Amino acid sequence: EPEVTQTPSHQVTQMGQEVILRCVPISNHLYFYWYRQILGQKVEFLVSFYNNEISEKSEIFDDQFSVERPDGSNFTLKIRSTKLEDSAMYFCASNLQGSYEQYFGPGTRLTVT
Amino acid sequence: AQSVTQLGSHVSVSEGALVLLRCNYSSSVPPYLFWYVQYPNQGLQLLLKYTSAATLVKGINGFEAEFKKSETSFHLTKPSAHMSDAAEYFCAVSGRGGSEKLVFGKGMKLTVNP
Repeated sequence: EPEVTQTPSHQVTQMGQEVILRCVPISNHLYFYWYRQILGQKVEFLVSFYNNEISEKSEIFDDQFSVERPDGSNFTLKIRSTKLEDSAMYFCASNLQGSYEQYFGPGTRLTVT
Repeated sequence: AQSVTQLGSHVSVSEGALVLLRCNYSSSVPPYLFWYVQYPNQGLQLLLKYTSAATLVKGINGFEAEFKKSETSFHLTKPSAHMSDAAEYFCAVSGRGGSEKLVFGKGMKLTVNP
């Protein structure tokens, strides 16, 4: 069964460093999302992406964040200058056009020290 | 605006007992509703979804949920808990525009005791 994959599974970085989280959505999906889950809190929407453009972004997704689909398979989330409060589990999701079912990857745990 | 309320954070049941996980939603537009399950160290897996067909929705692993508009609820139930059901369960709401963001509740950790 096709699945969304994410790398790395765990990333440790120092405050102020740039990180790139990678996702490979399901191959025929057209909509892509990033969510995050701070430990003990709810899963929060960050951004959605379609047709090489951001469709919607939350107030969390400020100028420190960016997303890119650099090729036909990868979908990346970049945090330019990480802060301690960016420590969280980051989930990538994708779905087919017109579908309401989002498929989630296993997540990347980001730890900022 | 949309929101989901899952009261409490932890439910403990005995194996074979009824599982009831409550979810109430708020939405300014007719919603779609979802339950996701997260097993330890894994991603979110869709259990079931309500997308305006039958109000009683059956999902995987014997779970079902009933959409009650008058109560703005979408509670998740399973008649008989199994040890393998131990996980965290998230209720989520979205609009009906297709490919819309999910708004999640805080989640409920289910423990199943032998």
